[in-house]
Amino acid sequence: EPEVTQTPSHQVTQMGQEVILRCVPISNHLYFYWYRQILGQKVEFLVSFYNNEISEKSEIFDDQFSVERPDGSNFTLKIRSTKLEDSAMYFCASSPRTGLVYEQYFGPGTRLTVT
Amino acid sequence: DAKTTQPTSMDCAEGRAANLPCNHSTISGNEYVYWYRQIHSQGPQYIIHGLKNNETNEMASLIITEDRKSSTLILPHATLRDTAVYYCIVRPLWGGSEKLVFGKGTKLTVNP
Repeated sequence: EPEVTQTPSHQVTQMGQEVILRCVPISNHLYFYWYRQILGQKVEFLVSFYNNEISEKSEIFDDQFSVERPDGSNFTLKIRSTKLEDSAMYFCASSPRTGLVYEQYFGPGTRLTVT
Repeated sequence: DAKTTQPTSMDCAEGRAANLPCNHSTISGNEYVYWYRQIHSQGPQYIIHGLKNNETNEMASLIITEDRKSSTLILPHATLRDTAVYYCIVRPLWGGSEKLVFGKGTKLTVNP
């Protein structure tokens, strides 16, 4: 069964450094998402992406964040200058969105630790 | 904020049915009910969705009340691997936001 994959599984970085989290969505999906979950807290939406542009973003997704689909398979989340409060699990999701009802399929996540 | 209310936690014996309730009294006519679960720090997993009719798939059944103000997710024969946090989410069928708004969910513990 096709699944969303994410790399790396764990990333440790120093405050102020740039990080890129990578995701390979399910191959025939057209809509892509990033969510994050700070330890012990709710899963929070960051951004959705369709047709090579951001379709929606949350207040969390400020100028320090960017997303890109550099080729036909990868979907990346970049944090330009990491802060301690960026430490969280980051989940990528994709959706086929065929028709009006569509579910999102999540990857296993990348644990980002900012020291 | 999430538009749903769920119990914080529930227990279930292995092999028995787990019935997880959800209140969504402000649901509007164009909103679906979705259920996801999250097994310990893994990515959320889609389970099932419905509009107004009862739905069943290989994972679970979803019972939605006639007034659509509440629903119940049923895992017919719970196993230890069903121990997870279960999220009930309402989301518009058309227009509106694409995002999933997760609440705190119900932590289901399946006991041997």
